[in-house]
Amino acid sequence: AQTVTQSQPEMSVQEAETVTLSCTYDTSENNYYLFWYKQPPSRQMILVIRQEAYKQQNATENRFSVNFQKAAKSFSLKISDSQLGDTAMYFCAFMYSGGGADGLTFGKGTHLIIQP
Amino acid sequence: ETGVTQTPRHLVMGMTNKKSLKCEQHLGHNAMYWYKQSAKKPLELMFVYNFKEQTENNSVPSRFSPECPNSSHLFLHLHTLQPEDSALYLCASSQDARQPQHFGDGTRLSIL
Repeated sequence: AQTVTQSQPEMSVQEAETVTLSCTYDTSENNYYLFWYKQPPSRQMILVIRQEAYKQQNATENRFSVNFQKAAKSFSLKISDSQLGDTAMYFCAFMYSGGGADGLTFGKGTHLIIQP
Repeated sequence: ETGVTQTPRHLVMGMTNKKSLKCEQHLGHNAMYWYKQSAKKPLELMFVYNFKEQTENNSVPSRFSPECPNSSHLFLHLHTLQPEDSALYLCASSQDARQPQHFGDGTRLSIL
């Protein structure tokens, strides 16, 4: 079974600053995907970024980038030039890619607050 | 508009009631999922349907009964629920195992 750990229950930074959210996971699998999802107060779970475990290059989506360290089983999210709209719960998630349809294993989340 | 629609948005029911949650996806996906999101706990996977076949039941009590009549619709039938079942229930869909899951806005369920 996989586990995902987010060790920061809450973080607060000033607008325009850069913030990094940490995530570690534990698995015996070699082929998998990692995700960061954002859940604002509206409750909608929004995909922020995805990383395939077989890719060494870190995924990037505009202001969002990850630092994927496979050997260390670490998958942190960096948000550059943070904006007020980035305030939300952020969830790290794992999914095995062995075929069929598999659910996501989530961490407990980090509540990120962007201060004006 | 997420492409995944859940109804109702809020539901309050007694422990002896029977109700159903509905999820509809307009994305042409083949897999659908139910998750439970409780306070202070990670999202928990409940059920997975792939091409209308249930492929996973994550040790969910029998008072929760899923139904997937076609690849676009997913239901969660509820009966004789307990107060600890109060939570946000999220539906998701994906094209296949290699594609990200798209979530609905959830149904906030409160058991009296």
